[in-house]
Amino acid sequence: DQQVKQNSPSLSVQEGRISILNCDYTNSMFDYFLWYKKYPAEGPTFLISISSIKDKNEDGRFTVFLNKSAKHLSLHIVPSQPGDSAVYFCAASAYNQGGKLIFGQGTELSVKP
Amino acid sequence: NAGVTQTPKFQVLKTGQSMTLQCAQDMNHEYMSWYRQDPGMGLRLIHYSVGAGITDQGEVPNGYNVSRSTTEDFPLRLLSAAPSQTSVYFCASRRPGTGTAFFGQGTRLTVV
Repeated sequence: DQQVKQNSPSLSVQEGRISILNCDYTNSMFDYFLWYKKYPAEGPTFLISISSIKDKNEDGRFTVFLNKSAKHLSLHIVPSQPGDSAVYFCAASAYNQGGKLIFGQGTELSVKP
Repeated sequence: NAGVTQTPKFQVLKTGQSMTLQCAQDMNHEYMSWYRQDPGMGLRLIHYSVGAGITDQGEVPNGYNVSRSTTEDFPLRLLSAAPSQTSVYFCASRRPGTGTAFFGQGTRLTVV
């Protein structure tokens, strides 16, 4: 039972345009959500996060939106750059579930010049 | 500033062999976890620990054992390797109360 789902395995965007990556979750106990970025042959690195008490968090070109009623979050990258080409994972945790951090399947973003 | 260190980086095992994947962190993080990454499956949680002496199962624990005798180290043991355990393994650590996890560089394991 996949608690965190990224239904788009890949996304291709033109440089300068907006990239929108989506993530759905099923566990209503999740209260903290994160996005990670992964390049080939490297470990994932933290990108941006959002608490369930917020519906938006912004950091430079990256914005994460959370819709709790729909159990959906999205990552917007504006403007997209070729260096953003990577696999993006969304992840979720619940305060009362200790150290568990559950990841989705990932979306491979390709930003074309 | 090492962060999370995994060894080895690459390993080939024969079916039935055993081995231990090592993970060490120098950030004094209480939480540590092991994940495996497979195509189309994302990062799946194998085992995790919330402190020395405390471990618990994740999403895919079968075939793997862990122990946590110190805050710094969290080894993952494969007692009898199977081809289905061919994967890339990542270790991660983080502090309680925040989900920001730091990952190692990964161990690419092939079981033939």
